[in-house]
Amino acid sequence: KAGVTQTPRYLIKTRGQQVTLSCSPISGHRSVSWYQQTPGQGLQFLFEYFSETQRNKGNFPGRFSGRQFSNSRSEMNVSTLELGDSALYLCASSIRVGGTGELFFGEGSRLTVL
Amino acid sequence: TQLLEQSPQFLSIQEGENLTVYCNSSSVFSSLQWYRQEPGEGPVLLVTVVTGGEVKKLKRLTFQFGDARKDSSLHITAAQTGDTGLYLCAGASGGTSYGKLTFGQGTILTVHP
Repeated sequence: KAGVTQTPRYLIKTRGQQVTLSCSPISGHRSVSWYQQTPGQGLQFLFEYFSETQRNKGNFPGRFSGRQFSNSRSEMNVSTLELGDSALYLCASSIRVGGTGELFFGEGSRLTVL
Repeated sequence: TQLLEQSPQFLSIQEGENLTVYCNSSSVFSSLQWYRQEPGEGPVLLVTVVTGGEVKKLKRLTFQFGDARKDSSLHITAAQTGDTGLYLCAGASGGTSYGKLTFGQGTILTVHP
């Protein structure tokens, strides 16, 4: 079956702009989680959505937001971009209910903020 | 805040050598997962260990979950150049935190021919 699909793969923005990233989970997976990966901080949890509701949230400022649609697809948005937001943003899907927490990651969206 | 300390951060070895990566925490996890990530790609799940003391083998890779479910190790026997990559351990707290994993900082493994 098809894996997790993230778009766009690469994007360049300037400070102050906003960005929207998209994620399509594996068919049948209803949970979508987002992570930020940087060389210094590693993978850090942003938030998780399940059944269109945010279930968990990491320690990121309010500029980071997300949503999930009825077909389980998810988007995350970062407003007022800062240089430090440059990172690989990873989306992961999971079965959630009945699973043991395994995540299936997409290839990521690499954001560069100039 | 749960933390996972992964060591070593960097490992550079010759093909055929054995190696072990460690993942330690003061917190108890309901399960622990190991992922491998290659440049330009997302992490790929290798294994999940759930029971304290559990040992799982995946060809030349052996994964162990500590008895108290606070630590884990990954042992690779006779490393190959194809094993090169970033290895990540990640702990799940269970309960309502299904999609929220705590990741270690990762171990960058380079296997030289």
